[in-house]
Order: sequence, then C-alpha cells, then structure tokens
Amino acid sequence: GQQLNQSPQSMFIQEGEDVSMNCTSSSIFNTWLWYKQDPGEGPVLLIALYKAGELTSNGRLTAQFGITRKDSFLNISASIPSDVGIYFCAGYASGGSYIPTFGRGTSLIVHP
Amino acid sequence: EPEVTQTPSHQVTQMGQEVILRCVPISNHLYFYWYRQILGQKVEFLVSFYNNEISEKSEIFDDQFSVERPDGSNFTLKIRSTKLEDSAMYFCASSEDRGRAETQYFGPGTRLLVL
Repeated sequence: GQQLNQSPQSMFIQEGEDVSMNCTSSSIFNTWLWYKQDPGEGPVLLIALYKAGELTSNGRLTAQFGITRKDSFLNISASIPSDVGIYFCAGYASGGSYIPTFGRGTSLIVHP
Repeated sequence: EPEVTQTPSHQVTQMGQEVILRCVPISNHLYFYWYRQILGQKVEFLVSFYNNEISEKSEIFDDQFSVERPDGSNFTLKIRSTKLEDSAMYFCASSEDRGRAETQYFGPGTRLLVL
C-alpha cells in the first residue's frame, strides 16, 4: 500500500520561531491535505492542495504541493503557543479510492 | 457550527468483550467513516458507509468489526470480541461528498483501552 513518511516526528521550538515539516509518498498523489489535531480532539483540516507546485496559505500556515507530486511541505511562521498539537499530512490519488492515507504526524511543542 | 459527536469519550473493556462505539454525524452528511489511531501511530482508515451499506473497507476491518446506522442519526462501530491490539483512538467522520476526502469532518474520538 501507499506509504507516507512525515518528518520530523517532533519539534520543540520557542514562540516566534518558524516551523517546517514535510511528507514524502511512495506514490503520486493528486491531492495533499494537512491536518492539525489538538489534544483530545479529532483532526481538523488546515489546507488542501490540488496541483503540483501549488502554494496555499491559511493565515500563518503555508503549504506546498511538491513538483514531483510525491511530497508536500507545511510551514508555520511566527509560532505561538496555540500552535501546539500534532500535524498530519494526508493524501490520495483521484480516480481510485478517495480515502486519504495519513502520515504519522509531527508533534509540535511551542515554548512561550 | 455543526460537528460530529462521539460517545463515549473513553471506554475500558476486558479482552474478549464486545464494545459499541457511537457517533452522530453531521445531519446533512451522507457518507460516514471510521478510522483508528493507535497511540503514537498514524490515523488508519477502517471503513466507509453510504446508503446503509459498506462502501469500502480496509484490511484492518475484519470479521470482528461491524458498522450500523440503527436510526436516522447514529452510526455505530461494533467490535465483537476485543483484543489487546484493538486499543486505540477511534474516530468517526462524515462528509457530504465522497469524492473529496477534504470534506470529511472528524469527531473528537473514543479512546478504547482493552485490558
């Protein structure tokens, strides 16, 4: 099956720092998704990407759909304490199953 | 804002016991899903459900699992004889559009612990 490698596994940063995380896939995706999971909650969609090379922002978050269609990146600028949580990438290929394959998540801790 | 709700939030059970996890999807959604997340692992798809039947299921969703929409609002996941490895967070999700995974809304999850 499809494999997603997400890195880093965890990050410990100071408030105000920028954050970058990425995902690579063993196969081509037509859609990349980035989710955030707060403690005790389900994943919430942050950004959806549909085209190779696409760069999309949501406030301080920016995500990119890699040119090869096998990777994606998420950046968070000027982190704040409420950015704490687990960030998941996910993707799927249109025309087949529309069920997303998830990465293992990046746990982000922001120190005030 | 409409949301998916799940009960219970936590469930502890003995190995071999049956458990039923309940979900109330968003009211105008037609597609329903169950996922699980073993502690520290990725979210894994279990099953999707539409028009009162299973649309798709993963290898994880074996004969000990079943899903049901017993009435117009609830969507349940039953595990007939729980095993230790069933311990995980179980998420329900619902969507109005099967073709776009990004339209799925996730519930807060039920944490299942099998002893």
